[in-house]
Amino acid sequence: QVQLVQSGAEVKKPGASVKVSCKVSGYTLTELSMHWVRQAPGKGLEWMGGFDPEDGETIYAQKFQGRVTMTEDTSTDTAYMELSSLRSEDTAVYYCAPKEGGSYVFDYWGQGTLVTVSS
Amino acid sequence: EIVLTQSPGTLSLSPGERATLSCRASQSVSSSYLAWYQQKPGQAPRLLIYGASSRATGIPDRFSGSGSGTDFTLTISRLEPEDFAVYYCQQYGSSPRLTFGGGTKVEIK
Repeated sequence: QVQLVQSGAEVKKPGASVKVSCKVSGYTLTELSMHWVRQAPGKGLEWMGGFDPEDGETIYAQKFQGRVTMTEDTSTDTAYMELSSLRSEDTAVYYCAPKEGGSYVFDYWGQGTLVTVSS
Repeated sequence: EIVLTQSPGTLSLSPGERATLSCRASQSVSSSYLAWYQQKPGQAPRLLIYGASSRATGIPDRFSGSGSGTDFTLTISRLEPEDFAVYYCQQYGSSPRLTFGGGTKVEIK
């Protein structure tokens, strides 16, 4: 069973960057393909990007291209999502969710990290 | 990008009633790669259905999924008190690029 523990809530000013971490246990990060999904307050789920094991590359949703970077530290089984040039519309709960196996569905989710962007 | 439109936005029903939720795609979802999730306030989403009609592990059989192409349905045969929540569809036919629908809230009438 995969367990995911994310870093704590953050408050950032517009224009700043935030880096959210997601620590994996029960599996190694190399056995998973980590994805990130966000949810603005009272809104729906929004896929941000994730690792494509077929190409060996990380794919980002066009909306976030150039502003988001997803990385992994396999020595600590920790995944990271960094979002730059923050604006108020980036206020949201950010979830890590690994793809395990062939299908791009998410059986496991982190607990979520609230990022608040406010001046 | 495949856009998923869920309807209705809100469904007001009583416990014991049948719930029918719709998810319509802007283009055909290949291989019926369509999933459904349930989300309760303050919680992460929970996978219910994948491959349009296969229940995830531990999901009660009152939840069923159907459909193909551009039209998909999630049915809850008899609503239990714990089923009142928001439901999202997700397509992965264009994986690794994924999209979610806007959600349907099932509320107590």
